[in-house]
Parts: sequence; C-alpha cells; structure tokens
Amino acid sequence: KNQVEQSPQSLIILEGKNCTLQCNYTVSPFSNLRWYKQDTGRGPVSLTIMTFSENTKSNGRYTATLDADTKQSSLHITASQLSDSASYICVVSAIGGGGNKLTFGTGTQLKVEL
Amino acid sequence: NAGVMQNPRHLVRRRGQEARLRCSPMKGHSHVYWYRQLPEEGLKFMVYLQKENIIDESGMPKERFSAEFPKEGPSILRIQQVVRGDSAAYFCASSPSLAEGAGELFFGEGSRLTVL
Repeated sequence: KNQVEQSPQSLIILEGKNCTLQCNYTVSPFSNLRWYKQDTGRGPVSLTIMTFSENTKSNGRYTATLDADTKQSSLHITASQLSDSASYICVVSAIGGGGNKLTFGTGTQLKVEL
Repeated sequence: NAGVMQNPRHLVRRRGQEARLRCSPMKGHSHVYWYRQLPEEGLKFMVYLQKENIIDESGMPKERFSAEFPKEGPSILRIQQVVRGDSAAYFCASSPSLAEGAGELFFGEGSRLTVL
C-alpha cells in the first residue's frame, strides 16, 4: 500500500530560526515528490516538485532534498518568518497517472512565533 | 489569470439534504480533480474528470456521490442525502496536461461542508 509519513506532526520555532521537516514514502513505482504549503482555511500551494533524478531543489527560503534510494525527502526552511506558519504537506506521485495517483501525507503543522 | 475557483467556500446542510460544490479550473486547464480532506487527515483523491468525461472515480463512494464536468460551465461535485460523516473540506485542483504525475497541480481554496 502506498504511504507517505511526515514528521514531526507539529513544530514550534522562533522567528528567524531554521527548521527541517521530514517525509518518508513507500509509493511505487515512484514518479515525483512535491511539497505543498497549506495555510489554515486555504488550499495547498506548490513549493517544489522533484523527479527521481533530482537531489535538491530550492524555492526562495525553501529547500527540498530527495533521496530516492532511502525514499526520504526533507524540506528545509531558512530564516523563518511569521508567514511561514502553515501545514506543510509531502505528496508523492506514482508512475502512470495524474492527480489521481497522488499519495498525500498528513502534513507537519509549523508555527513560527516571535 | 484567475486561479481555480471554488464555491461556495462554506456550506451548511442538514442530514438528508443535497450539497452541490462547484469548481471552475484555471483557464486552459482541461483536467480536474476532486479531493476530500478530513480533520487531521491527508487529502484523499475522489474523482478525476476531463471535459464531459469521468476518467477515474475510484476514490468516490459508490452511493450518494456524483461528479460531472460539462462542456460548458464548472465541474460539480454532488452529494445526495448528506450525513454527518460527509462534513469535510472538499478541494478541487486542475492541471493543463497529463504530464507524468499531472505536472503542476493548482488547488482551489476549498469548500467546507458542515452537516448538522
């Protein structure tokens, strides 16, 4: 069964600090891995998409890494801001389909405080 | 260029009533997906549609739920005879092509259904 597990479930950090969120998956056959940011009461917004051959991808202060051998990914947030407070969702796509072949993690709830 | 538009944003229904959720994809997008998000759970795929066709409805409950994407107008997710367990956020997403893994997927803001 395809699964995506994220850790930690929730995290509180001070503004300006860095943090790293983890994602482990068992989706097969693997196509790509995405990280989304979901603000409370809003829809998910894409941060990065990585294919099998990509090890790292950055989007501003967000850097995602992928280790396809160990089936692990991380999302590193640098110099956090209050606006980074949101749920961060790891999503893995299987080969052979579109949005109907996505497996979603339950997200890491990040809170950035002053 | 407007994003994916969903309405209503919030909907309250009593048990046994019908709920209709609408989704207008981004301009130029012909692939529409519906997902359901329960509290403390990840999004779950429900149905995948292209214009006038249901491509994959493997995630949709067999009874009471239906979806359509007519030639003209928005995609509609219809829930008949709602029950309390249908209370959830329903998200629509669209993509421009069937690139592997749907390529870039754009989500709407969701419709939050509360069943009393």
